[in-house]
Amino acid sequence: KQEVTQIPAALSVPEGENLVLNCSFTDSAIYNLQWFRQDPGKGLTSLLLIQSSQREQTSGRLNASLDKSSGRSTLYIAASQPGDSATYLCAVSTSGTYKYIFGTGTRLKVLA
Amino acid sequence: DGGITQSPKYLFRKEGQNVTLSCEQNLNHDAMYWYRQDPGQGLRLIYYSQIVNDFQKGDIAEGYSVSREKKESFPLTVTSAQKNPTAFYLCASSFDRARDQPQHFGDGTRLSIL
Repeated sequence: KQEVTQIPAALSVPEGENLVLNCSFTDSAIYNLQWFRQDPGKGLTSLLLIQSSQREQTSGRLNASLDKSSGRSTLYIAASQPGDSATYLCAVSTSGTYKYIFGTGTRLKVLA
Repeated sequence: DGGITQSPKYLFRKEGQNVTLSCEQNLNHDAMYWYRQDPGQGLRLIYYSQIVNDFQKGDIAEGYSVSREKKESFPLTVTSAQKNPTAFYLCASSFDRARDQPQHFGDGTRLSIL
């Protein structure tokens, strides 16, 4: 059974710092992996989607990498800003299904 | 603007009552999903639908029911059989080839018991 873990559960950093959020999964037979952002009381916003054949995706200050063999993905945020404060979730889609399995998220606070 | 609309934003349920959460999308997406989010937990899939008039149970379907009569709409009914309904409910949609496309989410409905 696929399980997705995100560490750390919470993180506080000063503004301007580069940071890395981690996501690990137990079954490497994934089809794709998505990183989402969730603001308090809101839905999820898709940040990056990495297909299983890809190693990384970039969007602005965000870079997500995928290592299927080790069951890991990282989300790198460059030059963090207070507006980046949110919960970041990763989710994996298992091959052959339309189901996503979500991690419990990392709650990020960027201090001004 | 295209998007997903969930209503109401807040909903209160009395004991023994069924309540229905609305989800409408104008993104022309084929697939739609319902998730439940509890504090400190990830999202768990309740039901999903790949095409009109067809839907599949997710991991926690007991006590819930859905319908998909129109492509744009995927309402979720929380029945009295769901003994712990208090949670944040999120609706999502994607194109049929969901594995290649990101999921788009609504802003959620927060359900509480009176």
